[in-house]
Amino acid sequence: EVQLVQSGTEVKKPGESLRISCEAFGYTFTDYWIAWVRQMPGKGLEWIGVIFPDDSDTRYSPSFRGHVTMSVDKSINTAFLYWSSLEAADSAIFYCARRRSGSFIDFWGQGTLVTVSS
Amino acid sequence: DIQMTQSPSSLSASVGDRVTITCRASQVVYNSLAWFQQKPGKAPKSLIYAASSLQSGVPSKFSGSGSGTNFSLTISSLQPEDFATYYCQQYSSFPHSFGQGTKLEIK
Repeated sequence: EVQLVQSGTEVKKPGESLRISCEAFGYTFTDYWIAWVRQMPGKGLEWIGVIFPDDSDTRYSPSFRGHVTMSVDKSINTAFLYWSSLEAADSAIFYCARRRSGSFIDFWGQGTLVTVSS
Repeated sequence: DIQMTQSPSSLSASVGDRVTITCRASQVVYNSLAWFQQKPGKAPKSLIYAASSLQSGVPSKFSGSGSGTNFSLTISSLQPEDFATYYCQQYSSFPHSFGQGTKLEIK
């Protein structure tokens, strides 16, 4: 059974760094892209970018490029999303999802809630 | 970037109704269009890909159509569990933009 299990809720202060994770189960991790999606409180879905675990090829939305960093660790079937300096506006739920190569999303993680507040 | 526009933004319907949500792309996306359902407090669920193909396990009451720039999602015989927010997404070119969502509420 395909599952994407995300790390737990985070509460951080502005300026702090953060890395959240997405661990894949039930399929060959390096065969599928991982997408990251943001959902701000009460708002819609926003596409952050995708990463291909086999070679770490990445595609970022211009809206997020330079503010977040996607990475993977193939040895533990896990994708990461990293902020070096959080802002209050980063408070949101972040979802990872599996994307078929050149194609559509089929499975989603459960989401990670990030709250940034002084 | 390709802009995705859904209409309506919200919709009230009754159990048993048939409803249609539309999604328009600012550029041609061929049939590279997916639909997702999201219930409050839950992760999105994938419903349809390639504009009209059902994801595994999705009931046939959901159907999608369209190509190019105009797409639609139809839900027949609404049941209480179908009341949720629905999003379209194009995956023809990066960034893979989402529509703003359509909230389907019980009348």
